[in-house]
Parts: sequence; structure tokens; C-alpha cells
Amino acid sequence: DADVTQTPRNRITKTGKRIMLECSQTKGHDRMYWYRQDPGLGLRLIYYSFDVKDINKGEISDGYSVSRQAQAKFSLSLESAIPNQTALYFCATSKIDGYNEQFFGPGTRLTVL
Amino acid sequence: TQLLEQSPQFLSIQEGENLTVYCNSSSVFSSLQWYRQEPGEGPVLLVTVVTGGEVKKLKRLTFQFGDARKDSSLHITAAQPGDTGLYLCAAPLNRDDKIIFGKGTRLHILP
Repeated sequence: DADVTQTPRNRITKTGKRIMLECSQTKGHDRMYWYRQDPGLGLRLIYYSFDVKDINKGEISDGYSVSRQAQAKFSLSLESAIPNQTALYFCATSKIDGYNEQFFGPGTRLTVL
Repeated sequence: TQLLEQSPQFLSIQEGENLTVYCNSSSVFSSLQWYRQEPGEGPVLLVTVVTGGEVKKLKRLTFQFGDARKDSSLHITAAQPGDTGLYLCAAPLNRDDKIIFGKGTRLHILP
């Protein structure tokens, strides 16, 4: 089945460490997204990419960076992790069809101590 | 400012009961999506509504898009424990633009 995968699924790290979360998709979608989910705050968009040469900041991009290595790969980096970046992180993809229906990966639970 | 307001935030009801949850906005949207998220998993798309007044059914779930395309509702008939989860509504700010999400309704169906 065409799918969206994320690695790692769980990660515990310390303040100040550099962390990379990876996302791969076999859906053939051009658009990819990174979200974080926090209790009470819902899903918030960090970065998005509408094609390989396109990178856009979302609602909460400070402290994060991304790389779109190929149509199928979109990675999220925390250059110097801090405790308030502890959250669930989701990668998603969408087609270019006017609706932008989101297809999510299983998520990465990140804890920054 | 939360562009998509979902209510109620939490709902706990007995198996077999009916329920309705709401997604409201002061903005007009070209389309609106509903997702369900179960613990430990990513949200899964249930339906997209496009036309004002549109009604879509997915087994026991009925989705309606408001006539003015500013709001939507999800009605579940004869709720089952398998309906438990976080229900999220979402919409593109502009047609073919990135999506914004409501904060969700957390639904718990008691057996």
C-alpha cells in the first residue's frame, strides 16, 4: 500500500542536542508537511513544501528547519532542542487537486529533557 | 484567533446513543474535511465536503456542510466503542492552500 512513514517513532533527547526526524512517502504526492500536536493546542503547521524546490514556513517555524531531499523525502531538524519542543510530530502529504486532503504518517513522539 | 472552533471539546456517551459535534467559523471555506485520530496514530481522513448544504454519509456517520460554507456538523447514529477518538475538522485558508485544523472533539463511547 502507498504509505507515509516516519522515523524514529519515539525519541528521547537532551536539551541542546540536534535532532532530525525523517519522513518518506510512496504515495507519489508532491506536497509534504510537518505538524506538531500538543494537548489543548491541536495540530500546528511547522513547515510545508509544495514541490521539491519549494519550502515555506508555517505557523510555528522558529527553532526548526527542514530539507526536501526528493519528492518522497522531507526531513525536520531541531538544531538545538529545548524542552518546550516536546510533542508529537506528524508528517503529511497531499495531492495537487484543490482540496489538499492530508495523509498523515504515524507520528514521532519526541521528549526533550 | 482560532479560525475553526469545534464543540464540544469532550464528549462521553453510552454505546447506542446518537451524538452531533460541530465545527464553526466566521470564514467561508471552499471545502472542509473531517479526520479521526486514534491514540498513537496519525489523523485519518473521513470525508471532504465541498458544496454548501452538502450531506455525506459514511455508514453511521453523517457529515453536513453549512449552506454558507462556514460551518459543518458530524452526526453519529448508534455510537459504538470503535467510534472513540479525536475528531478534527480542517479547511484550506484559500482554495488549494495549506490546511488549518480545529482543536478537535475528543469522543469516548462507553460500552
